[in-house]
Amino acid sequence: ETGVTQTPRHLVMGMTNKKSLKCEQHLGHNAMYWYKQSAKKPLELMFVYSLEERVENNSVPSRFSPECPNSSHLFLHLHTLQPEDSALYLCASSQGQGSGAFFGQGTRLTVV
Amino acid sequence: GEDVEQSLFLSVREGDSSVINCTYTDSSSTYLYWYKQEPGAGLQLLTYIFSNMDMKQDQRLTVLLNKKDKHLSLRIADTQTGDSAIYFCAESDYKLSFGAGTTVTVRA
Repeated sequence: ETGVTQTPRHLVMGMTNKKSLKCEQHLGHNAMYWYKQSAKKPLELMFVYSLEERVENNSVPSRFSPECPNSSHLFLHLHTLQPEDSALYLCASSQGQGSGAFFGQGTRLTVV
Repeated sequence: GEDVEQSLFLSVREGDSSVINCTYTDSSSTYLYWYKQEPGAGLQLLTYIFSNMDMKQDQRLTVLLNKKDKHLSLRIADTQTGDSAIYFCAESDYKLSFGAGTTVTVRA
């Protein structure tokens, strides 16, 4: 248990569905991140929130929409995804940008 | 991933030492990290080293940093089957940049 909780752990969705991934951290951190991990590819940083403000968006398609309502919660809203979006989506938090991040267990997403 | 490079695979016999190497590009990184990912799990922060240090030891783990060559290594002494995992090197400036990960397989 790292103090970062992601739900759901597994998600299967159709290309026309809308779903959301949730991340919650209990560590008092002020920065939160979404990463995408695909098979045989490096870990890809998607979004960074610092003090609830989005500070990084790494050319992520608009079908991924993040939301950070407060410093403890982070969402990733998904709509009209493609099969190549199937991956493990990891949430992380840290005290300050760039400092050692603690990761959740990830959501294994399959788009069919 | 392109700022941090690692070899992709390492096979080691149980009881031997494992050494995982990493090179990075950003000389302004304050901290450098090693993460471990077991199958089906997220990344676990294993250890880190401050950039003004050249070595850090934590039980079976030894981190060596050569700042001049921008080279970081993780040595695992007495490697066990439970050490089989993917190991990621990461550097931080504004954000964490990860390598592609080294898959370590421990054979009996």
